[in-house]
Amino acid sequence: QSALTQPPSASGSPGQSVTISCTGTSSDVGHYNYVSWYQQHPGKAPKLLIYEVNKRPSGVPDRFSGSKSGNTASLTVSGLQAEDEADYYCNSYAGSNNVVFGGGTKLTVL
Amino acid sequence: EVQLVESGGGLVQPGGSLRLSCAASGFTFNTYWMRWVRQAPGKGLVWVSLINSDGSITNYADSAKGRFTISRDNARNTLYLQMNSLRGEDTAVYYCVTDVYGAFANWGQGTLVTVSS
Repeated sequence: QSALTQPPSASGSPGQSVTISCTGTSSDVGHYNYVSWYQQHPGKAPKLLIYEVNKRPSGVPDRFSGSKSGNTASLTVSGLQAEDEADYYCNSYAGSNNVVFGGGTKLTVL
Repeated sequence: EVQLVESGGGLVQPGGSLRLSCAASGFTFNTYWMRWVRQAPGKGLVWVSLINSDGSITNYADSAKGRFTISRDNARNTLYLQMNSLRGEDTAVYYCVTDVYGAFANWGQGTLVTVSS
């Protein structure tokens, strides 16, 4: 199973919006509405931000939103804040109890 | 409060074995599917192994097949990963996570496995 494709880096200024893409195939992202996104600060465990493409767990600010079109999922962070600087990973269910992660995107708040 | 606490990591020589444990609390452990996910130093996340709620279904990434064995003891609320024939590329932080259709809502703090001579 190949990893999902994410841009290695993204950036934005405080208050701006930034969108991170996650491209898979018709066997994973394009086939299942089980795409999730994670935020990881240095030295910390990842944190679930979005599940089932566009749902937010309790406690996750609504500045974080998810969407999907075809084989590409996207995470949008609106109203960027300094604490949003982190690594972001997507993953998708890929059938037969397999999941596949993206390679990660380092978000820099300028 | 949901807690997952991994243990058992450490330094091991190539070809050696380790058994990781993950103690769960704060939720109904025996109703959740669980996975092990690892992260090599400076690298991304990779799933390693899956087990369903009663232990009757397991699955492994290609890199773990034939060498790793996942298991659980629902009476002790504990998840395990037996790792044999360890290689340098197995060096990573290993996390146990709850799995609901590929959404990993709960993560432990991770345990570091270093394979080196």
